[in-house]
Amino acid sequence: TQLLEQSPQFLSIQEGENLTVYCNSSSVFSSLQWYRQEPGEGPVLLVTVVTGGEVKKLKRLTFQFGDARKDSSLHITAAQPGDTGLYLCAGWDDYKLSFGAGTTVTVRA
Amino acid sequence: GAGVSQTPSNKVTEKGKYVELRCDPISGHTALYWYRQSLGQGPEFLIYFQGTGAADDSGLPNDRFFAVRPEGSVSTLKIQRTERGDSAVYLCASSLYGYHKEQFFGPGTRLTVL
Repeated sequence: TQLLEQSPQFLSIQEGENLTVYCNSSSVFSSLQWYRQEPGEGPVLLVTVVTGGEVKKLKRLTFQFGDARKDSSLHITAAQPGDTGLYLCAGWDDYKLSFGAGTTVTVRA
Repeated sequence: GAGVSQTPSNKVTEKGKYVELRCDPISGHTALYWYRQSLGQGPEFLIYFQGTGAADDSGLPNDRFFAVRPEGSVSTLKIQRTERGDSAVYLCASSLYGYHKEQFFGPGTRLTVL
């Protein structure tokens, strides 16, 4: 099993601030995915990054995939209360997903 | 269209009892996955079905856990002689057939073993 470590474990910020969460592994992944999970719901896919060095933007969210394809980051600009949730990174381990433990983000109004 | 549904949403049982958790995948999705998510953790793979057959059950923790998908659609995860350590949210996901196809997750069943 390929392990993904996420940091920080918890993050609490004020509305309008920026935040970055990290996902690191000692293994190379063909691609990495980021999900957001809200209480009582399953994870929902935000983005898939495939190419080393790739940067993808989704409105106020920016995702980066490391050059060596072992790490990724998620940056949120001007966070809003609606961004509150558990952010999970996941890598494909053959045909199944291997998840990190997640970062719980709380955005205070 | 309808997403992945799971029933029940919550299940409370006593140690030693048998439970069944049901997953209805998105229509037309041939791949189905079960994951378990403990408090403060990400989902952990349990089993993967392609059609009716279990293609990979390497994530099942022991022989008390079993899953079936007899007609290639609905799947049932069965846990015998439940233990307190089995308490978790059990998530089901489905996807189209193919390599690294997007998985769509259900809301999960929260199992509590007293």
